[in-house]
Amino acid sequence: AQSVTQLGSHVSVSEGALVLLRCNYSSSVPPYLFWYVQYPNQGLQLLLKYTTGATLVKGINGFEAEFKKSETSFHLTKPSAHMSDAAEYFCAVSDGTGFQKLVFGTGTRLLVSP
Amino acid sequence: SAVISQKPSRDICQRGTSLTIQCQVDSQVTMMFWYRQQPGQSLTLIATANQGSEATYESGFVIDKFPISRPNLTFSTLTVSNMSPEDSSIYLCSTMGLAGNEQYFGPGTRLTVT
Repeated sequence: AQSVTQLGSHVSVSEGALVLLRCNYSSSVPPYLFWYVQYPNQGLQLLLKYTTGATLVKGINGFEAEFKKSETSFHLTKPSAHMSDAAEYFCAVSDGTGFQKLVFGTGTRLLVSP
Repeated sequence: SAVISQKPSRDICQRGTSLTIQCQVDSQVTMMFWYRQQPGQSLTLIATANQGSEATYESGFVIDKFPISRPNLTFSTLTVSNMSPEDSSIYLCSTMGLAGNEQYFGPGTRLTVT
């Protein structure tokens, strides 16, 4: 069975500061990993994904994440936070099969202050 | 990515009644998924709906409570039956992307049961 742990239900940063949202996963097979963002009263938007190949993946809005197999981590970062980044962020894992069942973490709410 | 719409966007229903949520995709897709997001929580997969076959339900979800239809490759419905306040959630549908390894989500239906 797969699982995802997101450390910190809330993360607060100042505008312009580094954003770091943590995600650790558990998977018995090589995982596919995803970060989604959910703005208030909206659905989920795919930020980035890791499937195979390069372990540092870049996504939309200046976000990137690095797959570290030895640490079973897939942390999300952004060098400089914008006010518009305030949202809920979800890490998810799938087992890479055709079924593509996604298992989500509990989410991290990013708060950005001026 | 596919454009996904859901109807209704929100509803307030009385306990004991049923609500049918519609999910429309702007292109033909093989697999569609239905998720539930309870207040303040993460997403949980309810079922997978393939066109031409019965939906596959996850543990804890049953067809009598959440009947699903998938009449064609662009449309699906989820019915929440005999509702109770515990069914108050956001219900989201999703589809597979062209790469076949990521999912895209609709905007969600926010259901409140009184």
